[in-house]
Amino acid sequence: SQQGEEDPQALSIQEGENATMNCSYKTSINNLQWYRQNSGRGLVHLILIRSNEREKHSGRLRVTLDTSKKSSSLLITASRAADTASYFCLSYNQGGKLIFGQGTELSVKP
Amino acid sequence: NAGVTQTPKFQVLKTGQSMTLQCAQDMNHEYMSWYRQDPGMGLRLIHYSVGAGITDQGEVPNGYNVSRSTTEDFPLRLLSAAPSQTSVYFCASSSLLQGVKTEAFFGQGTRLTVV
Repeated sequence: SQQGEEDPQALSIQEGENATMNCSYKTSINNLQWYRQNSGRGLVHLILIRSNEREKHSGRLRVTLDTSKKSSSLLITASRAADTASYFCLSYNQGGKLIFGQGTELSVKP
Repeated sequence: NAGVTQTPKFQVLKTGQSMTLQCAQDMNHEYMSWYRQDPGMGLRLIHYSVGAGITDQGEVPNGYNVSRSTTEDFPLRLLSAAPSQTSVYFCASSSLLQGVKTEAFFGQGTRLTVV
């Protein structure tokens, strides 16, 4: 089974709105990473948050990490049509395996 | 730096054929892994390696072999392809810095169809 579970599985919003995606994981982690994948394309690294960090920002992205709840959230502010993609969280489980969450499919309508 | 290079980008195989998907990285990363991506299943770990000479199974290893004779290369072998192995395959590498694993870098993917 996968390390991370993400919700929602699909999210549809209007341009300019904020999008929030959540990821839960099962075991303790060193860090957690978020990736974007445009349809049929490769994976683009967005942001990495370490286990001793609670919040991190990068441009319009804000990531939070709650290690007590084993969860992370990715917020995209002022979304654009170009943000339409699938978003995945990625973390190492206790066995050292790098495991993906199921992913959230974000659709931003112009 | 080329990063992670995966070849080929596309491949069509007949059932029972064998082939090797190549993955090479030039960042001296210790950790390398292979994933397959299927609709509705997300990306699942096939095999991984924490260094040259060391490999281990992921979530869906059956039907696949790997080896890690050098730090740079981590080929994935399909010994007898089956239609169920039709998928998009991604290779990744990452490093260990002061005990903390770093950002994972991904290849562009290989789209494999088994007919």
